[in-house]
Amino acid sequence: DSGVTQTPKHLITATGQRVTLRCSPRSGDLSVYWYQQSLDQGLQFLIQYYNGEERAKGNILERFSAQQFPDLHSELNLSSLELGDSALYFCASSVGVAGVYGEQFFGPGTRLTVL
Amino acid sequence: AQSVTQLGSHVSVSEGALVLLRCNYSSSVPPYLFWYVQYPNQGLQLLLKYTTGATLVKGINGFEAEFKKSETSFHLTKPSAHMSDAAEYFCVLDASGGSYIPTFGRGTSLIVHP
Repeated sequence: DSGVTQTPKHLITATGQRVTLRCSPRSGDLSVYWYQQSLDQGLQFLIQYYNGEERAKGNILERFSAQQFPDLHSELNLSSLELGDSALYFCASSVGVAGVYGEQFFGPGTRLTVL
Repeated sequence: AQSVTQLGSHVSVSEGALVLLRCNYSSSVPPYLFWYVQYPNQGLQLLLKYTTGATLVKGINGFEAEFKKSETSFHLTKPSAHMSDAAEYFCVLDASGGSYIPTFGRGTSLIVHP
């Protein structure tokens, strides 16, 4: 158990809908990262937040947004969902800004299915 | 543009045999390189990383990798495979200058036969 929790574990929705994925980092971790894992695209880094501020951005679509709240939990919002958004979404956390010098701890993921 | 290529989507070895998972990268700046492992139905776990300094990096579970700049490679090895090593392995490149904006390889599935 990494100490990172993600809810829900599974999510099934329809095209055009909007969903919110939630992540609670390990106690004391200030950074949260979001990743998408799909059969088509493989693993992709989406975005990182550090202590409430956006820190780094990867291949995140404009239909997706994220935020980190004062209690350090994070939410990933996916809107106007398409079939291709079906994927496993991982959250990870690390102690500090981390960069390449820190270790990230991954949650178990949320499996999103868009029908 | 930065990229990372893992050679072989599947690698099959016998228990006790050498494990070699290949990774080549392309980067216009000094790279930072990582290997992650993903066990079935789990998130990723860091095996090892190269940032600067020693080019032979030792990680957890007996794995190691060597950064070879001339060959633009970062292959992962383990002298003796164990059944518990069966998993998906990802080579990851960060060419953002250390801010951690990673590019993942497509992954190599390691199959270990008894």
